[in-house]
Amino acid sequence: ETGVTQSPTHLIKTRGQQVTLRCSSQSGHNTVSWYQQALGQGPQFIFQYYREEENGRGNFPPRFSGLQFPNYSSELNVNALELDDSALYLCASSSRAEGEKLFFGSGTQLSVL
Amino acid sequence: DQQVKQNSPSLSVQEGRISILNCDYTNSMFDYFLWYKKYPAEGPTFLISISSIKDKNEDGRFTVFLNKSAKHLSLHIVPSQPGDSAVYFCAATVGGGGSNYKLTFGKGTLLTVNP
Repeated sequence: ETGVTQSPTHLIKTRGQQVTLRCSSQSGHNTVSWYQQALGQGPQFIFQYYREEENGRGNFPPRFSGLQFPNYSSELNVNALELDDSALYLCASSSRAEGEKLFFGSGTQLSVL
Repeated sequence: DQQVKQNSPSLSVQEGRISILNCDYTNSMFDYFLWYKKYPAEGPTFLISISSIKDKNEDGRFTVFLNKSAKHLSLHIVPSQPGDSAVYFCAATVGGGGSNYKLTFGKGTLLTVNP
């Protein structure tokens, strides 16, 4: 069974740039969620995708957007990067069979300078 | 407004003793609660969960207790082992087994188990 994988593991960008983070779901999972974990904080829900459509969104501006592909992999795009976007971005996959449990990847550490 | 609160940023216990991690929540709509463990450079991993229809759930060394009237839950680890040293996150959701898996997390508690 393949777990959740994220790429890249680390990324450095400058303010105003755009970034794309990628996630491959665990085998058999059709739901992908993205979370932002700032330093010293718990993960905060960005949005969720189910069957390629956004299915729930947290308190994040529209410059945070995403995609889910037919193979259930996903991308998180952030435009016009701000210094406060520096954080660990976690992808999690799940399925109805697993209930409310999420299976997280190791994350992408984004630094915005 | 933090809906899930872990008021102890850190906890240190001796190997073999009990670790008790606490969590409080404010949103009365939450009906499913989970604990995740996170090691450095890894994503959070699911540990144990409890539905609001129960007040206790046990899995090996790990037991979660839920006090709905107090909006409080706790995770007990007995006996604690050095490998348990990690950050523990409490999370809550409005569940029901549907497609909404949004979890609201606390800030975490760093547990250190000393040999």
